[in-house]
Amino acid sequence: GAVVSQHPSRVICKSGTSVKIECRSLDFQATTMFWYRQFPKKSLMLMATSNEGSKATYEQGVEKDKFLINHASLTLSTLTVTSAHPEDSSFYICSAREKGGRVDFRIPPGEQYFGPGTRLTVT
Amino acid sequence: AQKVTQAQTEISVVEKEDVTLDCVYETRDTTYYLFWYKQPPSGELVFLIRRNSFDEQNEISGRYSWNFQKSTSSFNFTITASQVVDSAVYFCALSVIETSGSRLTFGEGTQLTVNP
Repeated sequence: GAVVSQHPSRVICKSGTSVKIECRSLDFQATTMFWYRQFPKKSLMLMATSNEGSKATYEQGVEKDKFLINHASLTLSTLTVTSAHPEDSSFYICSAREKGGRVDFRIPPGEQYFGPGTRLTVT
Repeated sequence: AQKVTQAQTEISVVEKEDVTLDCVYETRDTTYYLFWYKQPPSGELVFLIRRNSFDEQNEISGRYSWNFQKSTSSFNFTITASQVVDSAVYFCALSVIETSGSRLTFGEGTQLTVNP
């Protein structure tokens, strides 16, 4: 259980075009999804937190008009990189937090389940 | 604000050696969770362990063991009798309870290479 998929796994696009990455929770409902970006040999950097039915919360320094996030259902969040440029080339990873995690230290907050990542190359 | 430091950028060992990956964290919250993830060359993050701040018991799972020391804000990870398949980047991460969704703060990662 708790499987998260991402599509596509790899994408190459031309500079100036937009590309959409999908993140799906396959066997559970995810009220919250997170989008991370990872440069080669670097750590994961949180880009935004996406809650179903509401606007995403972006981290400082992340352009919301550049990285459009939509979380239209409890099983799907999308990240659209608009007008992509070579510097947007990176590994993008999503994670999904299961609905119903309780705020009680004995019961961990909803576990984050990670997708396999999408490698974006902008030429 | 939360911070996780993994001082070892790269570690190289020979198969069957034991290796310890260090993790030091900072948080003002008294309730928090610590994690270790493995990221093999394929890129997919593999969850290894989660500990909460109220449980300082060390844990052993096969060749893996974890040492949680609140006094030194450390959560170190030891692999016993390392194998080539253990080669990967290992991330330590910290999460606190937030109304916005308990996001993870990752360390910079430690690249472990196990040579035959």
